[in-house]
Amino acid sequence: QVQLQQWGAGLLKPSETLSLNCGVYGGSLSGFYWTWIRQPPGKGLEWIGEINHLGGTNYNPSLKSRVTISVDTSKNQFSLRLSSVTAADTAVYYCARGRITYFWGQGTLVTVSS
Amino acid sequence: DIQMTQSPSSLSASVGDRVTITCQASQDISNFLNWYQQKPGKAPKILISDASNLETGVPSRFSGSGSGTDFTFTISSLQPEDIATYYCQQSDNLPLTFGGGTKVEI
Repeated sequence: QVQLQQWGAGLLKPSETLSLNCGVYGGSLSGFYWTWIRQPPGKGLEWIGEINHLGGTNYNPSLKSRVTISVDTSKNQFSLRLSSVTAADTAVYYCARGRITYFWGQGTLVTVSS
Repeated sequence: DIQMTQSPSSLSASVGDRVTITCQASQDISNFLNWYQQKPGKAPKILISDASNLETGVPSRFSGSGSGTDFTFTISSLQPEDIATYYCQQSDNLPLTFGGGTKVEI
């Protein structure tokens, strides 16, 4: 059974860079897209972007200028960086597998506040 | 981007009621439509993929239908454990997009 475990800083100041990691356990990175999705408090889901095991990425155009998703196959993990954060980036961030997402991380609440 | 319009945004029903949620895509997405259930503080869970494919282990009271731009999600007999927010998602085009969600209450 594939499990995703995510970690990273939960409190940021405006203009800082959000950095989250997601470890994949019980399965390989090969053959799938690995996804980041976020959910502002009390609101709906927003797809941030995805990466495959070869490093090929697709990003949401609304965030593309600030987002970098990377993969480390040696550690079986992938990462999210979002630069120049503002309060509007406050959300629970999820890592997940695939475009139809069967496996999710536990979620990380990232709060942006001065 | 493909816009997903989901309705209603919330509903209240009784145990045993039939519940129907609709999702409309801003363009033809064939059957690339998925439904998720999210309970408070938890990650979403896939219930139905490709418009009508019930995922393994999901109770048969859940069903989905539709193609093109108009889709329906149904709970045939609402149970207390179905209290959650439900989201549709299109997986036809990038960026993937979700409906605004339907909060189901008893």
